[in-house]
Amino acid sequence: DTAVSQTPKYLVTQMGNDKSIKCEQNLGHDTMYWYKQDSKKFLKIMFSYNNKELIINETVPNRFSPKSPDKAHLNLHINSLELGDSAVYFCASTTGGLGTEAFFGQGTRLTVV
Amino acid sequence: AQSVTQLDSQVPVFEEAPVELRCNYSSSVSVYLFWYVQYPNQGLQLLLKYLSGSTLVKGINGFEAEFNKSQTSFHLRKPSVHISDTAEYFCAVTHLSSGSARQLTFGSGTQLTVLP
Repeated sequence: DTAVSQTPKYLVTQMGNDKSIKCEQNLGHDTMYWYKQDSKKFLKIMFSYNNKELIINETVPNRFSPKSPDKAHLNLHINSLELGDSAVYFCASTTGGLGTEAFFGQGTRLTVV
Repeated sequence: AQSVTQLDSQVPVFEEAPVELRCNYSSSVSVYLFWYVQYPNQGLQLLLKYLSGSTLVKGINGFEAEFNKSQTSFHLRKPSVHISDTAEYFCAVTHLSSGSARQLTFGSGTQLTVLP
């Protein structure tokens, strides 16, 4: 069973389009995240939700909007896609205290053309 | 604020040789430290973590890391690498005062390439 699953794995789209990436975790975790990995492999947190409540919202264009319908899902909607949005987006989840590990999805490679 | 520095962006090493991947962190509070591995076209997988106690931490696949508070380092080591260890390795930190806002701050990654 996949612990954290993201769909789609690959997404190629034109500039200006609106797209969504879905994430689901079956671990019973209460906190979920979106990370962006750029072309140089640098990972940066974008958002974090705890029990469906937004708790981390880093400096991200407001074209990016996370939505958490329930504890097990955290989707990422991106409006008016730009070339610079091309990256790999990772969903992750954790539970418990600060020392617990984060479980990551396989990533969604977004290419904007 | 906290930050993580991985001093080497690329580390080539021959098979069966030892390897050390360096990681230094800065934080004004106590931290928890992690090493993650990312194989090509895959997500991140936890190798090991330091929370407290013994400063030498053993992880999966024969890796270990040593926490050195005075040098603010958490270097990753393996005595004998295999071709299958070729991957990107990330050091990460989260700190104790995060409260409910638990987030990982990652280093820039080190590409380990094991040569035959």
